[in-house]
Amino acid sequence: SQKIEQNSEALNIQEGKTATLTCNYTNYSPAYLQWYRQDPGRGPVFLLLIRENEKEKRKERLKVTFDTTLKQSLFHITASQPADSATYLCALEGSNTGKLIFGQGTTLQVKP
Amino acid sequence: GAVVSQHPSWVICKSGTSVKIECRSLDFQATTMFWYRQFPKQSLMLMATSNEGSKATYEQGVEKDKFLINHASLTLSTLTVTSAHPEDSSFYICSARLAYSMLEFFGPGTRLTVL
Repeated sequence: SQKIEQNSEALNIQEGKTATLTCNYTNYSPAYLQWYRQDPGRGPVFLLLIRENEKEKRKERLKVTFDTTLKQSLFHITASQPADSATYLCALEGSNTGKLIFGQGTTLQVKP
Repeated sequence: GAVVSQHPSWVICKSGTSVKIECRSLDFQATTMFWYRQFPKQSLMLMATSNEGSKATYEQGVEKDKFLINHASLTLSTLTVTSAHPEDSSFYICSARLAYSMLEFFGPGTRLTVL
């Protein structure tokens, strides 16, 4: 069956450290994968998109990798800040449907 | 740019009443809009895909007669929850996709509570 899995346990880290979040998928062959940030009671906000032929993408303190062999994407936030505390969702397009399928999200808590 | 708004941001209604939620793309035209539902501590689940000028396409298990979707213009889609019941209480989020783009922009969500 098709699955997108993110660590359901919250990730707690100290301010200034690098946060690494994982997104694994099975039985998909996505052309691209996206990462979103969602704050409580708010809609998701787009962060980064990485295509299947890209190994890595960066935007300021954010870095995303995409390994189509491992079927995994890693999302890194360097020099983390308390303001980075939120739930981070990965999403991919399901089987050329044009529809996004979301992981369940990982909640990140950055402590000062 | 690429701002999507939703109205209302929250609504409380009595069981059996109908509630309409509006989704607008403020600074771009969206040929396709999507409606999602999110229960507490769960991910977004796609309910339906709405294309301007045509009937919405519903995901399996979503009742089209209960969740009426209208996409009358390139900047507005509405979701009407008919005869709402407490189990319909959820966070409803819309999104809009730029034409010829993979990017999807989300609204801020509408919290529906049915008493």
